[in-house]
Amino acid sequence: DVKVTQSSRYLVKRTGEKVFLECVQDMDHENMFWYRQDPGLGLRLIYFSYDVKMKEKGDIPEGYSVSREKKERFSLILESASTNQTSMYLCASTKDRGSNQPQHFGDGTRLSIL
Amino acid sequence: KQEVTQIPAALSVPEGENLVLNCSFTDSAIYNLQWFRQDPGKGLTSLLLIQSSQREQTSGRLNASLDKSSGRSTLYIAASQPGDSATYLCAVLDPGNTPLVFGKGTRLSVIA
Repeated sequence: DVKVTQSSRYLVKRTGEKVFLECVQDMDHENMFWYRQDPGLGLRLIYFSYDVKMKEKGDIPEGYSVSREKKERFSLILESASTNQTSMYLCASTKDRGSNQPQHFGDGTRLSIL
Repeated sequence: KQEVTQIPAALSVPEGENLVLNCSFTDSAIYNLQWFRQDPGKGLTSLLLIQSSQREQTSGRLNASLDKSSGRSTLYIAASQPGDSATYLCAVLDPGNTPLVFGKGTRLSVIA
C-alpha cells in the first residue's frame, strides 16, 4: 500500500514565523501535491511537482513556497506565517502523469497560526 | 476551465437505505474520475477510479457510474451503515493531466 506521511498532525505557530510542513511518500511516485482545506471552500491546490526540483504553482500559491530535493519528499514552506494561513493542509501523490492510478493522501496537518 | 459540482452538500438517511451521491462536471473530455471518502479531521481515501473508457466500477457495496456525454457521475451506496458517515468527494482528471479538479463534497450522515 502507498503511504503518504505528513510529519505533524497538529502544529501551532506564531505570526511571522517561518513554517515547514513535510511530506514523504514511499512508493516512488513522481507527482506530489499540497492542498489546503477550509470549511465551505473545499480543497484548494497550493503547489505541485511532477519531478525532483520541479514545481508548479497551483490556485493559491501566494505566501507559500515548496521544495523537492528528493523524489520522495515534498516540503511546503510558509515564508512568514499569517493568521489567514490557519487551515488543514493535505499532501498527496500519484504515480506519474497519464497514470490511471488513484491519488493518495496523507492524514493532514492542522495548522494554527496565533 | 473544468468545474466539478456535488449536490447536495449534505445528506442524512436512515440506516439500511440505498442512496445515490451525484457529481457533475462541465468539460466532458476527461481522462478519469475518482471518488474519495474523508472522515472528520483526516485525509482523503480513494474509493473508486473510473477511466474515461469505462461506464462503471464496483467495490463491495459501492458502485460508481460515469456518463461522460452528460458530464455526470453517481456513487451508489447499498444498504447504508452508520460507518458510511463521512464526506464523499469526486474529482476529475483532464486529458492534459493537469492536477485533479475536486468538487466540494457531500457530507453523508447515516442514522442508526
